[in-house]
Amino acid sequence: EVQLVESGGGLVQPGGSLRLSCTVSGLIISYHDMNWVRQAPGKGLEWVSILYSGGNTYYADSVKGRFTISRDNSKNTLYLQMNSLRAEDTAVYYCARVRWISDAWGDFDSWGQGTLVTVSS
Amino acid sequence: QTVVTQEPSFSVSPGGTVTLTCGLSSGSVSTSYYPSWYQQTPGQAPRALIYFTNTRSSGVPDRFSGSILGNKAALTITGAQADDESDYYCVLYMGSGIWVFGGGTKLTVL
Repeated sequence: EVQLVESGGGLVQPGGSLRLSCTVSGLIISYHDMNWVRQAPGKGLEWVSILYSGGNTYYADSVKGRFTISRDNSKNTLYLQMNSLRAEDTAVYYCARVRWISDAWGDFDSWGQGTLVTVSS
Repeated sequence: QTVVTQEPSFSVSPGGTVTLTCGLSSGSVSTSYYPSWYQQTPGQAPRALIYFTNTRSSGVPDRFSGSILGNKAALTITGAQADDESDYYCVLYMGSGIWVFGGGTKLTVL
């Protein structure tokens, strides 16, 4: 069974930094394409970033230059380093695996339960 | 910047059929965008329903189906049940590593 468990959320002041972790069991994250997706309170889902199995990274314009996605293969853990945080970054942050199936993008089939980040003074 | 559009809300009667759509602010949705669909209830993580436009994710009942209707991706629920009352999201692959979720549709079953 695949399990993704996020941690590291909390209250941070505007301009501050936070690092989120997503510890995964049941799959080896270095073999898969892993994402961060966020959801502001009462709002919809917003894709944030992806780390391909091959190592390439991509970001939504809203976080580019401020957030960095990475992984530690030895810990099978995905990270999101968030700097220069703004009030609008307040959200539940989910990690999720997107499947690459037969040379095509499949579904975001595995999700964690999320960790809440609140940016406020 | 391209926006992915969904109906903000929809209602369906128990046992009825409803089709939710996923469009683009500019252009048409095609299979090349790899549209997929997700169901989310309050306080829960999203659950995958459909990928490859029309392939059901693992464990999804066959009353959920996906398609391309005109210039949009579509999710059809046939024989709606009370526990289908949820938020539904589509996501499209825009290329160059970028994904964009739609704003979501709040489905009411009444």
